[in-house]
Amino acid sequence: AQKITQTQPGMFVQEKEAVTLDCTYDTSDPSYGLFWYKQPSSGEMIFLIYQGSYDQQNATEGRYSLNFQKARKSANLVISASQLGDSAMYFCAMRENQGAQKLVFGQGTRLTINP
Amino acid sequence: NAGVTQTPKFQVLKTGQSMTLQCAQDMNHNSMYWYRQDPGMGLRLIYYSASEGTTDKGEVPNGYNVSRLNKREFSLRLESAAPSQTSVYFCASSHRRPFGYTFGSGTRLTVV
Repeated sequence: AQKITQTQPGMFVQEKEAVTLDCTYDTSDPSYGLFWYKQPSSGEMIFLIYQGSYDQQNATEGRYSLNFQKARKSANLVISASQLGDSAMYFCAMRENQGAQKLVFGQGTRLTINP
Repeated sequence: NAGVTQTPKFQVLKTGQSMTLQCAQDMNHNSMYWYRQDPGMGLRLIYYSASEGTTDKGEVPNGYNVSRLNKREFSLRLESAAPSQTSVYFCASSHRRPFGYTFGSGTRLTVV
């Protein structure tokens, strides 16, 4: 069964520093997708970035990049030049491409950006 | 663009009461999902519907039922609410390609 693990319950970072949020996953499906979502205190789920298992390059979206290490089954999110507005919960999620394409989430990391 | 619409946004129930959470999407997505989010935890899948006319159990289905009324609507029913079902409930929908998921704004349910 697919599984996502986020081992950092909370992180504190100074504004303008880069931050890496860890995510490891487990699946037997060779075709899968990895997602990162941001959940601010208002509660909505905001899509940040996507990485497909067969993508040759690491995904990037503005200040967000995904450090995809397939052999290690890790998909860490890197936020460059952090801003106060980045303070939120961050969830890593995975979807296996077979079957119903369920999205399975990790436990989340609460990121706090200090001024 | 409405996306995924959930109603209600807030609800308080007494133990043993029943209610239905409504979800509708206007993006012509095939798949729809219901998740719950408890404090300190990620979203856990309750039920999903891969296509109109099909539903399947997710990780935490006990105490819930669902109905995929048509392609647009996917409802979640609590037949006899329990305090353990106090949570924030999210509905989501997705397309096979491109692989995007759209989430509703959530329903905050409290069972007393």
